[in-house]
Amino acid sequence: DQQVKQNSPSLSVQEGRISILNCDYTNSMFDYFLWYKKYPAEGPTFLISISSIKDKNEDGRFTVFLNKSAKHLSLHIVPSQPGDSAVYFCAASGGADYKLSFGAGTTVTVRA
Amino acid sequence: DTAVSQTPKYLVTQMGNDKSIKCEQNLGHDTMYWYKQDSKKFLKIMFSYNNKELIINETVPNRFSPKSPDKAHLNLHINSLELGDSAVYFCASSQGQAVILRGYTFGSGTRLTVV
Repeated sequence: DQQVKQNSPSLSVQEGRISILNCDYTNSMFDYFLWYKKYPAEGPTFLISISSIKDKNEDGRFTVFLNKSAKHLSLHIVPSQPGDSAVYFCAASGGADYKLSFGAGTTVTVRA
Repeated sequence: DTAVSQTPKYLVTQMGNDKSIKCEQNLGHDTMYWYKQDSKKFLKIMFSYNNKELIINETVPNRFSPKSPDKAHLNLHINSLELGDSAVYFCASSQGQAVILRGYTFGSGTRLTVV
């Protein structure tokens, strides 16, 4: 049973525009949320995280928004660049074992 | 200076064989993980070790056996390989509560193909 869901398998955006990736979760015990970026033939790399006590976290071009009541988070990339073309995974954690539950990923393609 | 290294990167083997995947991290982390990415691209946790002690063991066939000789290594041994074991296996590591802020550090994955 998937507790973290990314319902959009792919997203195409023009260079310079905003990319918005969405993620929903079902487990109310989750209190930390992370986004990972993955290039082909490489492992996922950590991008940005947010604690459930916040509703926004920003790091350069990347901003993550959290709506706890809706059990929804989103990742905004502004402006999108060709190097942002990758698969983005949403992940969540809520236990003392620090286990991360991942979504299925969204493939972002930035068009020149 | 690869932080989390897995070997081999690719593994093609026949059904029924036994194989191992090795993982080493040089980050000084205390926790290591094995994740499986299946054909639907979901990343699912299989095992986690903290200082050589098994702390997470998800519903995984007992043909899969992790071994952690020290906290820098976590190997995965698979007996009697089946077609459904074909997937990409990722090793990862983290340091205590820092995982909340920095997540795991992943290896580049091992693509296992069972024929």
